[in-house]
Amino acid sequence: GIQVEQSPPDLILQEGANSTLRCNFSDSVNNLQWFHQNPWGQLINLFYIPSGTKQNGRLSATTVATERYSLLYISSSQTTDSGVYFCAVRLETGANNLFFGTGTRLTVIP
Amino acid sequence: NAGVTQTPKFQVLKTGQSMTLQCAQDMNHEYMSWYRQDPGMGLRLIHYSVGAGITDQGEVPNGYNVSRSTTEDFPLRLLSAAPSQTSVYFCASSYAWAAGQYNNEQFFGPGTRLTVL
Repeated sequence: GIQVEQSPPDLILQEGANSTLRCNFSDSVNNLQWFHQNPWGQLINLFYIPSGTKQNGRLSATTVATERYSLLYISSSQTTDSGVYFCAVRLETGANNLFFGTGTRLTVIP
Repeated sequence: NAGVTQTPKFQVLKTGQSMTLQCAQDMNHEYMSWYRQDPGMGLRLIHYSVGAGITDQGEVPNGYNVSRSTTEDFPLRLLSAAPSQTSVYFCASSYAWAAGQYNNEQFFGPGTRLTVL
């Protein structure tokens, strides 16, 4: 099956710092989603991004499908950004099943 | 819209007991799915459905049954609970059912935390 790798596994930032999270995948994919799992366990949709770049406030994401990776940028981090960030991909054909990476745990300290 | 709802939020079972985790969505989504999340891991697909009356297995289906009699509901049944099924269970849905379709962004419910003793 498809392999989805995220790096780094853990990240500690001072409030106000910027960061880049990476997601590599082993096969061609149709689309990709980024999620934030907050400390209460809720999965929040951040981006739905097959290719190119999208921005939403302090967050932006870039997917380069031909090179099989996606990046999530967090600027001016806040303590509320803490949690685990997951990327999930879907294959080019078949049902809309998502394959998840193991996540990046982000801790933002004041 | 309430989105994707799951009940219960927490459940403790003894080995061998059976139970049903409920999932419902009010967005007229064709696709629904169940994932489990174990500590330090991403989510893994248990079962999925591409429409009422149609279900199929995901990566980790053993020990679980599903059915989809209506568009709105997609219950997950544990027939004989085992400690290895201790996990957090998430239900998700999307408007489109196929990987290649537009409008197939998945939305997740709040999860059910299950402990099997």
